[in-house]
Amino acid sequence: DAGVIQSPRHEVTEMGQEVTLRCKPISGHDYLFWYRQTMMRGLELLIYFNNNVPIDDSGMPEDRFSAKMPNASFSTLKIQPSEPRDSAVYFCASRSNRNTGELFFGEGSRLTVL
Amino acid sequence: AQKVTQAQTEISVVEKEDVTLDCVYETRDTTYYLFWYKQPPSGELVFLIRRNSFDEQNEISGRYSWNFQKSTSSFNFTITASQVVDSAVYFCALMAESGGSYIPTFGRGTSLIVHP
Repeated sequence: DAGVIQSPRHEVTEMGQEVTLRCKPISGHDYLFWYRQTMMRGLELLIYFNNNVPIDDSGMPEDRFSAKMPNASFSTLKIQPSEPRDSAVYFCASRSNRNTGELFFGEGSRLTVL
Repeated sequence: AQKVTQAQTEISVVEKEDVTLDCVYETRDTTYYLFWYKQPPSGELVFLIRRNSFDEQNEISGRYSWNFQKSTSSFNFTITASQVVDSAVYFCALMAESGGSYIPTFGRGTSLIVHP
């Protein structure tokens, strides 16, 4: 079975541009998480979904960030407009409906905003 | 509130040495779960182990072993006879119920460098 798939793996953009990160969770998993990893703050939970519904978005830094999950096999994290401080690695992870189970992570999307 | 502390930011050892990565957690819940993940230089996070709060039995998997002690709120990870391929960032995570869901909180990670 394929793992969590993220795209793009690397993105370099200029300040002010819109960035869209994509994630395909493991088939059959009910939970999807978006994390951001930086040297300064470590791994931060941005938002998570259960059965395609956003449950907690309190970790989303500000209104420039938005996330959607239109169906069980696809989610996006959008930053508009992007800023240099958004530079980080963004991870998507999924988990089965056993909500005490481990998370399965994608390979991450490394974003650089110039 | 949940909190995970990995006090060791970076550890450097020579191959074949044993090394222990510390993890101390805080939670008021009586039911919780602890995890270790490995992040090699390639970047993805790889799940290593999951323990629940009712099972304090230590676990060994090859060169890896985990020591869970509720009395000290610790879940330490030992690599025996370390190898260069063990070089990675290791994350400890705690998961307890929050608003009806179990959401993991990660420590800051310990970077392990194994020199040949």
